[in-house]
Amino acid sequence: AQTVTQSQPEMSVQEAETVTLSCTYDTSESDYYLFWYKQPPSRQMILVIRQEAYKQQNATENRFSVNFQKAAKSFSLKISDSQLGDAAMYFCAYSREYGNKLVFGAGTILRVKS
Amino acid sequence: KAGVTQTPRYLIKTRGQQVTLSCSPISGHRSVSWYQQTPGQGLQFLFEYFSETQRNKGNFPGRFSGRQFSNSRSEMNVSTLELGDSALYLCASSSSYGGYTEAFFGQGTRLTVV
Repeated sequence: AQTVTQSQPEMSVQEAETVTLSCTYDTSESDYYLFWYKQPPSRQMILVIRQEAYKQQNATENRFSVNFQKAAKSFSLKISDSQLGDAAMYFCAYSREYGNKLVFGAGTILRVKS
Repeated sequence: KAGVTQTPRYLIKTRGQQVTLSCSPISGHRSVSWYQQTPGQGLQFLFEYFSETQRNKGNFPGRFSGRQFSNSRSEMNVSTLELGDSALYLCASSSSYGGYTEAFFGQGTRLTVV
């Protein structure tokens, strides 16, 4: 079975600085997708960024980028120029190529200090 | 375009009762997935429906069931409620089943069992 591990229960970052959230996963599949979701206090899950396993290039979305290391099964999220609105719970998630079932990590609470 | 709508937003039920939660996906989306979120177990996949058929099921007891209607709206039912069923239940909709499609989440139904 696929598993996703987030080893940082909580992280803090100063406004305007950079923070990296870690994620490792375990799978025997060769084709899959990886995601970072943000869950603010409103509880609505919002997709931050996604990565297709067959793509070697790391995904980037504005201030958010990932470091995808397929052989090491590592998928970290870097948030640059952190803003107060980035404060939330961040979940790393895995999905196989077919179907929409998401396997989530335990989450990392990100606090942003002004 | 309206987002994923979950009703009701909050529910309080007594142990032993049953409950039905509803999820209306984004217009045109045919896949609906359900997740349970608790502080102890995190986010766990319950089941996925596509074109009125259950395509995938998580590791939950038979008290948890679901269905999908021809208009893609989905319901999940929990019978003989237990205190441990208290959770945030999230629904996600996707446009298709095969290949990558983004999952859009609703705001969830907060179920409290007393």
